[in-house]
Amino acid sequence: QVQLVQSGAEVKKPGASVKVSCKASGYTFTGYYMHWVRQAPGQGLEWMGWISPNSGGTDYAQKFQGRVTLTRDTSISTVFMELSRLISDDTAVYYCVRELREVYDYWGQGTLVTVSS
Amino acid sequence: QTVVTQEPSLTVSPGGTVTLTCASSTGAVTSGYYPNWFQQKPGQAPRALIYSASNKHSWTPARFSGSLLGGKAALTLSGVQPEDEADYYCLLYYGGTRVFGGGTKLTVL
Repeated sequence: QVQLVQSGAEVKKPGASVKVSCKASGYTFTGYYMHWVRQAPGQGLEWMGWISPNSGGTDYAQKFQGRVTLTRDTSISTVFMELSRLISDDTAVYYCVRELREVYDYWGQGTLVTVSS
Repeated sequence: QTVVTQEPSLTVSPGGTVTLTCASSTGAVTSGYYPNWFQQKPGQAPRALIYSASNKHSWTPARFSGSLLGGKAALTLSGVQPEDEADYYCLLYYGGTRVFGGGTKLTVL
């Protein structure tokens, strides 16, 4: 069965960076795109960007350009989301979600990132 | 900046029918926006319900249906169950970027 398992919660100080992982299993890792979505406490969903695990190609929401980096390691079927220059407004749950041809299906369980001094 | 608008909240009685909508600030929502719908319950990750406006995933209950209606994407719940109380989000494709709607909080009362 398809599973996306994310890394555990993180607490970071303002100005630091965070790197969250999303390990895929149960399907051909390079056959689907992976998107990242975040949700601040009590707020809605916000799309951040995607990565092609096959080519490594990426695209980011304009809001996060220059601050977010998506990478992948095909040897361990894992994608990574790194967000730099953290501010308190980056406190959120971060999700990975699988996609192919604009069909979004499986989501990771989410990773809480708390930014606090 | 593109804005996707949903009803902030709706209330429906058990067994009733309710339609949630998803509008784009750029104009009418068409199939080319590949509307997706997601359900999220408190403390849980979102769950995919509908893709490409009207297609259901294998796990989507039959009482959920999607459509394009009056220039918007729509999610209709027929025969609402208490467990359908949740937040619902639409997602639209804009030729590269994607934008979520603000979400609709559905109360079953």
